[in-house]
Amino acid sequence: DQQVKQNSPSLSVQEGRISILNCDYTNSMFDYFLWYKKYPAEGPTFLISISSIKDKNEDGRFTVFLNKSAKHLSLHIVPSQPGDSAVYFCAAGLNNAGNMLTFGGGTRLMVKP
Amino acid sequence: KAGVTQTPRYLIKTRGQQVTLSCSPISGHRSVSWYQQTPGQGLQFLFEYFSETQRNKGNFPGRFSGRQFSNSRSEMNVSTLELGDSALYLCASSSGQFLAKNIQYFGAGTRLSVL
Repeated sequence: DQQVKQNSPSLSVQEGRISILNCDYTNSMFDYFLWYKKYPAEGPTFLISISSIKDKNEDGRFTVFLNKSAKHLSLHIVPSQPGDSAVYFCAAGLNNAGNMLTFGGGTRLMVKP
Repeated sequence: KAGVTQTPRYLIKTRGQQVTLSCSPISGHRSVSWYQQTPGQGLQFLFEYFSETQRNKGNFPGRFSGRQFSNSRSEMNVSTLELGDSALYLCASSSGQFLAKNIQYFGAGTRLSVL
């Protein structure tokens, strides 16, 4: 049973436009959510996170929104740049239970110049 | 500051053999977690060690084991390899035990191929 799902395996966006990546989870116990970016031949890199006590967190061009009632989070990238082309993973965990993360399957974002 | 180092980067083994993978965390980090990435299952948590103690364990058979040394370096071992163990094995290190306070940094991984 996949507790964290990213239903879109890929997304193509024009440079300068907004990229919206979505993630759904089923375990209501999760209280901390993260987004990681992965380039080929590299490990995932932390991008942005959000606690379940918030519904929005912003860091530069990246904003994560959390809708607890819908068990849904999204990552907005504005404006999108070609260097943002990568695989994006959402992950969820329990803040007080160590560093164990449950990952979604990933969304490949392609930003076209 | 050096990042998370995983060795070797690539490994080829045959069914039935055993393998040991190594992870050196960022200096000062006491938590090391291991993940398996496969095309079908995505990134799956294997186990986490903090100060030489296993803190969490994922849903993997007993053939998968790990340990952490006093210098925080960690090894994971897979015995009696199966074809399905072919995967990218990723290690992540963190300075503490709370997700909200500590970023996890990943290594580039070890690509294991089982023939």
